[in-house]
Amino acid sequence: DAGVTQSPTHLIKTRGQQVTLRCSPKSGHDTVSWYQQALGQGPQFIFQYYEEEERQRGNFPDRFSGHQFPNYSSELNVNALLLGDSALYLCASSFAGLGQETQYFGPGTRLLVL
Amino acid sequence: QKEVEQNSGPLSVPEGAIASLNCTYSDRGSQSFFWYRQYSGKSPELIMFIYSNGDKEDGRFTAQLNKASQYVSLLIRDSQPSDSATYLCAVRNTGFQKLVFGTGTRLLVSP
Repeated sequence: DAGVTQSPTHLIKTRGQQVTLRCSPKSGHDTVSWYQQALGQGPQFIFQYYEEEERQRGNFPDRFSGHQFPNYSSELNVNALLLGDSALYLCASSFAGLGQETQYFGPGTRLLVL
Repeated sequence: QKEVEQNSGPLSVPEGAIASLNCTYSDRGSQSFFWYRQYSGKSPELIMFIYSNGDKEDGRFTAQLNKASQYVSLLIRDSQPSDSATYLCAVRNTGFQKLVFGTGTRLLVSP
């Protein structure tokens, strides 16, 4: 049973650049949530996608955008990168039909902005 | 006041002891509660979830929820050095999809 996968594992960018991170949910899951985790902090919710639409958004600027594809995979795009965007980006998948929607995390993408 | 609060630790316990990890939350509308374990440099791994007041046991782990006190805890019995990690408490309000995390408690289990 394939778990949540993310790519790439590591990424180095410079300020002002744009980045795209990818996530494939766990088999049978239809919902993808994205989180940002800074060093020493808990994950912070960015947004969640279900049925190819953004269902809820956290307190992140419009520079952060996303997309969900018909196969439930998802992308997170960040424009005009800032040094403060350096963090571990986590994708979590869940199945909406279970009601409580327990979220399972992928391995993450570590982004460093120089 | 933070939405979810945890003592950052480290909490140090000897091997074989019971480790008690605590979490408080501010939103009385919170309905679902989760404990994740995160090893250094890795992503969070789900340990347990609890929705109802009382205790829920799974192997060496017991989650305890008291909604009146807005308090959730995780007990780890027979602690092992491999349990050394950061434990994240997460809370979700019904109708909202996001998980709100605490900053985590670092647990150190010494042989």
